[in-house]
Amino acid sequence: NAGVMQNPRHLVRRRGQEARLRCSPMKGHSHVYWYRQLPEEGLKFMVYLQKENIIDESGMPKERFSAEFPKEGPSILRIQQVVRGDSAAYFCASSPGTGGPYSPLHFGNGTRLTVT
Amino acid sequence: GIQVEQSPPDLILQEGANSTLRCNFSDSVNNLQWFHQNPWGQLINLFYIPSGTKQNGRLSATTVATERYSLLYISSSQTTDSGVYFCAAGSPTSGNTGKLIFGQGTTLQVKP
Repeated sequence: NAGVMQNPRHLVRRRGQEARLRCSPMKGHSHVYWYRQLPEEGLKFMVYLQKENIIDESGMPKERFSAEFPKEGPSILRIQQVVRGDSAAYFCASSPGTGGPYSPLHFGNGTRLTVT
Repeated sequence: GIQVEQSPPDLILQEGANSTLRCNFSDSVNNLQWFHQNPWGQLINLFYIPSGTKQNGRLSATTVATERYSLLYISSSQTTDSGVYFCAAGSPTSGNTGKLIFGQGTTLQVKP
């Protein structure tokens, strides 16, 4: 039973380029969460998605950042025109849904983005 | 929103020692979890414990929701316990979801 899969593990982009981070949830999970960990800081919630819907994006920067979770395929976190301050570890987590008993949150191994 | 504070920020132990990590939260929670981030950066879920006590091997956790704190106990520490321990809380206003507020963490170093 594969866990949450994120790729790539490491991503290097030059300032102004686009970064695309992918997350495949655990089998049977339809809810995805993205978190960001900036250097020397804790983890901050960014966005919560269900298939084809953004449920809560209160933690997303207003500009340059977007997320999607299409009907087919992985969830994508997209950062346009990256700047050095975007350098961070981006973690994805998934859960089965909100209808039943709550499950512990399990994270993928993260994508470490470095902007040069 | 909920504020989550952890103490101590740093902790150095000799292998075999016991320790207690504390997490205070500012408001009612319906979700309280402990995570370990190992030196390779992986985040491992240790406990989902919005109330009560749980044990898993050398680790145990207790949450007293009415007094707004949670404790993580590590007994007979090993070098592999090193890393950062995070407490994370969810507000009832977020519903039954994985939207969590993380504390700043306790960095634990266990020396051989």
